[in-house]
Amino acid sequence: EVQLVESGGGLVQPGGSLRLSCAASGFTFSSYWMNWVRQAPGKGLEWVANINQDGSKSYYVDSVKGRFTISRDNAKNSLSLQMNVLRADDTAVYYCARDTYYYDTWGQGTLVTVSS
Amino acid sequence: DIVMTQSPDSLAVSLGERATINCRSTLSILYSSNNKNCLAWYQQKPGQPPKLLIYWASTRESGVPDRFSGSGSGTDFTLTISSLQAEDVAVYYCQQYYGTPRTFGQGTKVEIK
Repeated sequence: EVQLVESGGGLVQPGGSLRLSCAASGFTFSSYWMNWVRQAPGKGLEWVANINQDGSKSYYVDSVKGRFTISRDNAKNSLSLQMNVLRADDTAVYYCARDTYYYDTWGQGTLVTVSS
Repeated sequence: DIVMTQSPDSLAVSLGERATINCRSTLSILYSSNNKNCLAWYQQKPGQPPKLLIYWASTRESGVPDRFSGSGSGTDFTLTISSLQAEDVAVYYCQQYYGTPRTFGQGTKVEIK
């Protein structure tokens, strides 16, 4: 079964850091682009970042450039999102999603709350 | 960035009736290499992640009931639920994957009348 499981969310103060992880199973992880997509409470979906198969290319939404870093470890079938200088408007459920042009597999999400 | 705009923001439909959701992009998302439109539809139920329903504007994902159908080309697209069931209550999103960033519509909430 193709599966993505996120972890690492929690409560963090403004200006703080958090690292999210996504464990992949049931497919050849190294063959796919991977993404992070977030959803603020009661709001719609926002693509955050993606990374290519070998980790040599990554792209970010403007609002997180310079603060967030996406990475992957193909040996461990793992995707990560390092989030620094967090702001209140980063509060959201963060999903990892497999990219086959469209997003055919999503994790259950992990909640990040930025608040003092 | 390509902006995706859905209409309406919400709609209430009687059980067994048709539900229609529209999605418009600010530029054509027709991919010339395969003559297919780079448009996907997702369903999101409360407390759950989005679920892929339709890709390439009209191809139903495996396991998706055939009451869901997608149509359109270029900049204008439609998701149709031919006979609304109680389990279809959800928010529906369109997404373009023609350009980066991959942008979503704002969502359309479907409820039972």
